[in-house]
Amino acid sequence: QVHLVQFPGAEVKKPGASVNVSCKTSGYTFINYVIIWVRQAPGQGLEWMGRISPYSGNTKYAQRVQGRVTMTTDTSTSTAYMEMRSLRSDDTAVYYCARAIQDEAFDSWGQGTLVTVSS
Amino acid sequence: SYVLTQPPSESVAPGKTARITCGGNIIGTKSVHWYQQKPGQAPLLIMYYNSDRPTGIPERFSGSKSGNTATLTISRVEAGDEADYYCQVWDPSSDQDVVFGGGTKLTVL
Repeated sequence: QVHLVQFPGAEVKKPGASVNVSCKTSGYTFINYVIIWVRQAPGQGLEWMGRISPYSGNTKYAQRVQGRVTMTTDTSTSTAYMEMRSLRSDDTAVYYCARAIQDEAFDSWGQGTLVTVSS
Repeated sequence: SYVLTQPPSESVAPGKTARITCGGNIIGTKSVHWYQQKPGQAPLLIMYYNSDRPTGIPERFSGSKSGNTATLTISRVEAGDEADYYCQVWDPSSDQDVVFGGGTKLTVL
């Protein structure tokens, strides 16, 4: 059974700080599936942040977060990571990782990490 | 990047049929995927490649596409179907691989 477990469950950060979120996967061959990151601001819709191929390490980021986000993977532990820097109040959101099937649909999701940016 | 347009809300009585639309120019040339999200939960893939249901999704859920509009149909609606529904398209040739619709809040009366 496929599982994606995110850590931490929640973080509170000050503006300008960084946050690191991990996404530990199990139940499938990690390098065979792209991992995406999506965030959802309070009461808002889903926003794609970017993707990473665990096989190649190739990444692609949304323009809105380009330059502030880095996605990485550790194939030895089947874990994906997302680092967001220079946090602003409008980065307050629940951040999700998800597995992509054939790159384009997302069939398994982490439980989400609430990141609150507040002074 | 492109835009996917969904109605913000739909209401339906139990046992009736709900139809949630997703419009956008790119829909005519790309596959559409649908997600259900209940409060406090992660999204759940309920339809992919326009009309395929993942394992475990009830047959009451179906998807279709015509021209630039995709439709998620929920037959014999139940109280447990009350949720937000998002359509999504993947276009790697775009500056943004993935776009989600704005979401539709389905209320079961």
